Amino acid sequence: AQRVTQPEKLLSVFKGAPVELKCNYSYSGSPELFWYVQYSRQRLQLLLRHISRESIKGFTADLNKGETSFHLKKPFAQEEDSAMYYCALSSSGTYKYIFGTGTRLKVLA
Amino acid sequence: KAGVTQTPRYLIKTRGQQVTLSCSPISGHRSVSWYQQTPGQGLQFLFEYFSETQRNKGNFPGRFSGRQFSNSRSEMNVSTLELGDSALYLCASSLGLSDREKLFFGSGTQLSVL
Repeated sequence: AQRVTQPEKLLSVFKGAPVELKCNYSYSGSPELFWYVQYSRQRLQLLLRHISRESIKGFTADLNKGETSFHLKKPFAQEEDSAMYYCALSSSGTYKYIFGTGTRLKVLA
Repeated sequence: KAGVTQTPRYLIKTRGQQVTLSCSPISGHRSVSWYQQTPGQGLQFLFEYFSETQRNKGNFPGRFSGRQFSNSRSEMNVSTLELGDSALYLCASSLGLSDREKLFFGSGTQLSVL
């Protein structure tokens, strides 16, 4: 079955510290992976996607097919990074996105 | 460009009632998908519509249904409401031409079932 697992419900780091939000997936084909973010009082929005291989707001994510992971990383956390982060997977031809349960990131001053 | 609009913003219903939620996608977007968001489960896929056709649906009971109109606006209906249906219902729109597309989310409808 297709599944996205985010093992941490809450991650607290200090400002300036590195951040890694974990995402593991199970899917037999070739998935497309995304990270969505929801800041306080804002809508859920796309942060980045694997296909674009981009870096947004200093965040990057590398797809590791061997470990079936798509961890989100940032070298130096900022207070404005505090938000809820969701990892998501789309499978070819289904038009169905599967989301993880989310990780709340708190960046402490 | 206006974003995805969901109405109403809040709903309070009692068990056994039915409810209809509305979603207007971004102009030009032909795909609308619906998700149920709860604190413990995250976002659970309900269904996706493209040009008035349901292309996929999630593992929800038949009490949950939806439709899409020719102007791409979509509605979802939940009949015989149960306490467990209390959740934030999100809709998202996209062009619908690829399953690799960015989803644009609405603010959601918060449904409380008493």
